[in-house]
Amino acid sequence: KNEVEQSPQNLTAQEGEFITINCSYSVGISALHWLQQHPGGGIVSLFMLSSGKKKHGRLIATINIQEKHSSLHITASHPRDSAVYICAVSPRSTGNQFYFGTGTSLTVIP
Amino acid sequence: ETGVTQTPRHLVMGMTNKKSLKCEQHLGHNAMYWYKQSAKKPLELMFVYNFKEQTENNSVPSRFSPECPNSSHLFLHLHTLQPEDSALYLCASSQTEGGNYGYTFGSGTRLTVV
Repeated sequence: KNEVEQSPQNLTAQEGEFITINCSYSVGISALHWLQQHPGGGIVSLFMLSSGKKKHGRLIATINIQEKHSSLHITASHPRDSAVYICAVSPRSTGNQFYFGTGTSLTVIP
Repeated sequence: ETGVTQTPRHLVMGMTNKKSLKCEQHLGHNAMYWYKQSAKKPLELMFVYNFKEQTENNSVPSRFSPECPNSSHLFLHLHTLQPEDSALYLCASSQTEGGNYGYTFGSGTRLTVV
């Protein structure tokens, strides 16, 4: 069983829709990261969270440490948001290593 | 560009070839990483270098050989690979003093073993 579980695995949305991607983890963490991977392969860090909520443009990330759960929301989705979104956690026990989810593949249709 | 540069972007090699992947960062980070990303699987950490010293080797086969000559450069030497080694290989760097900050990925090398 993976320490980080994401849902859904695949998501198709119409342009303008509100999107939510969920991440649950099973270990104690020092931080949780949301990453974006475009079809070219490169990965970009969107958020690093250790508590509460962060907002950047149309993206919002929340985390509930007690429930070991995080969500990534995209408001007013756009075709350029199409990418794979990966949740990763920094376990308290392992210093600079991560556990990764398998990713959520998002396609936004015009 | 994210600050972490990987070359080549694409590589096709035969099972008897020897090739090397290169990663370079000029972010002032002190740790560098190699990851393997296979289809439908989570990213797998292969190697970690902190201050040029290898600190982690997650049971990676010896046909993958890392080299970190300085804190800005990281190589992954490949020899006698298998078709199942075909994957996206990602390099990352971070600053680990006082925590783990600025984690930055490169664009990856798409490797195909034929």
